[in-house]
Amino acid sequence: AQSVTQLDSHVSVSEGTPVLLRCNYSSSYSPSLFWYVQHPNKGLQLLLKYTSAATLVKGINGFEAEFKKSETSFHLTKPSAHMSDAAEYFCVVSEGGSNYKLTFGKGTLLTVNP
Amino acid sequence: KAGVTQTPRYLIKTRGQQVTLSCSPISGHRSVSWYQQTPGQGLQFLFEYFSETQRNKGNFPGRFSGRQFSNSRSEMNVSTLELGDSALYLCASRRFSGDSSSYEQYFGPGTRLTVT
Repeated sequence: AQSVTQLDSHVSVSEGTPVLLRCNYSSSYSPSLFWYVQHPNKGLQLLLKYTSAATLVKGINGFEAEFKKSETSFHLTKPSAHMSDAAEYFCVVSEGGSNYKLTFGKGTLLTVNP
Repeated sequence: KAGVTQTPRYLIKTRGQQVTLSCSPISGHRSVSWYQQTPGQGLQFLFEYFSETQRNKGNFPGRFSGRQFSNSRSEMNVSTLELGDSALYLCASRRFSGDSSSYEQYFGPGTRLTVT
């Protein structure tokens, strides 16, 4: 069975400082991993994805994530936070195959202070 | 290319009633999945449809059902509504090419259901 743990429910940073949102996963197979962002009263937007190609994945809006199999981690980073980054972020795992479904973490609320 | 659309965006229903939500996927996407989002339980998978067939189902009671039409549009139905069904219901679509590029899903804005 697959599962995702987002290690922080809330992260607060100042504008212009780095962002780190932590995610650990559990999967019986080679997983696909995603980060989605949800702004207030909006749907989910795909930030980036890992599907067994390069372990360092670049996404939209300057976000990156590194897949570390030995640590079963997929942390999301951004060098410099912007006010518009304030949102909820979800780490997601999928094992694919015939039993395809997405399993979501509980989410991390990112607050960006001026 | 138009995104995933969901109608209606907001609904208020009374306990015991039933409700139908609609989802139109991105053009060319043949798979539609439904998710329930609540503050307490987070995002939970309801079911996925492909080629008018339910392929996978989450741990929800039988009051939650869905269907998919030949044009890939999907509807979700909840019967005998309970207060706990109040949630944001999200629909997502994806291609179905059999390789990992089709694993990512694209989400609609959701339908906010309030049960009173």
